[in-house]
Amino acid sequence: SAVISQKPSRDICQRGTSLTIQCQVDSQVTMMFWYRQQPGQSLTLIATANQGSEATYESGFVIDKFPISRPNLTFSTLTVSNMSPEDSSIYLCSIDRGAPNYGYTFGSGTRLTVV
Amino acid sequence: QQPVQSPQAVILREGEDAVINCSSSKALYSVHWYRQKHGEAPVFLMILLKGGEQKGHEKISASFNEKKQQSSLYLTASQLSYSGTYFCGTERVGNDMRFGAGTRLTVKP
Repeated sequence: SAVISQKPSRDICQRGTSLTIQCQVDSQVTMMFWYRQQPGQSLTLIATANQGSEATYESGFVIDKFPISRPNLTFSTLTVSNMSPEDSSIYLCSIDRGAPNYGYTFGSGTRLTVV
Repeated sequence: QQPVQSPQAVILREGEDAVINCSSSKALYSVHWYRQKHGEAPVFLMILLKGGEQKGHEKISASFNEKKQQSSLYLTASQLSYSGTYFCGTERVGNDMRFGAGTRLTVKP
């Protein structure tokens, strides 16, 4: 099954700055998903990234704040821009393995702390 | 639309059983179940696609009701390794995965 390499694993950033999170998949996938998970909470979908088109953002998330790139079928980045302490969270990328294995595979996550 | 998951938390002794429920107000394309241990990413357990389906994996099994609006995860004869937070994830055709709020399961010796 697919393996996702996500980095950085953690970072501490100053407010007002930006952080770019990278995910590399060891196989080609059509869609990649970006989730946010605040401590002790569920996973909230930020956006869906398709190669060759604009990412689709969920309600409450905007492109200016969370720009996403998807330059090819194995790679995607999520940038958290103009950070504030409220952006402190775990960010995870994910793919849908589809048939026959099914299920989502997640990257190991990026623990972001904004000070 | 986020599925409704219950209970929020369960504490068990080794060998005891637990049931976690996940429900939606509308029919679903599929239900996924995941387990997340502290500090780690969620790990896929199983998917249910058909109404009335039941599926098992060792001592962890799940069901999907006929109307495809409710799923239950059954953990029998629990082991210490079962501790973690369990999430159901639901898909509707043409939509992305939505996760329930999670059930924190603690298994004690």
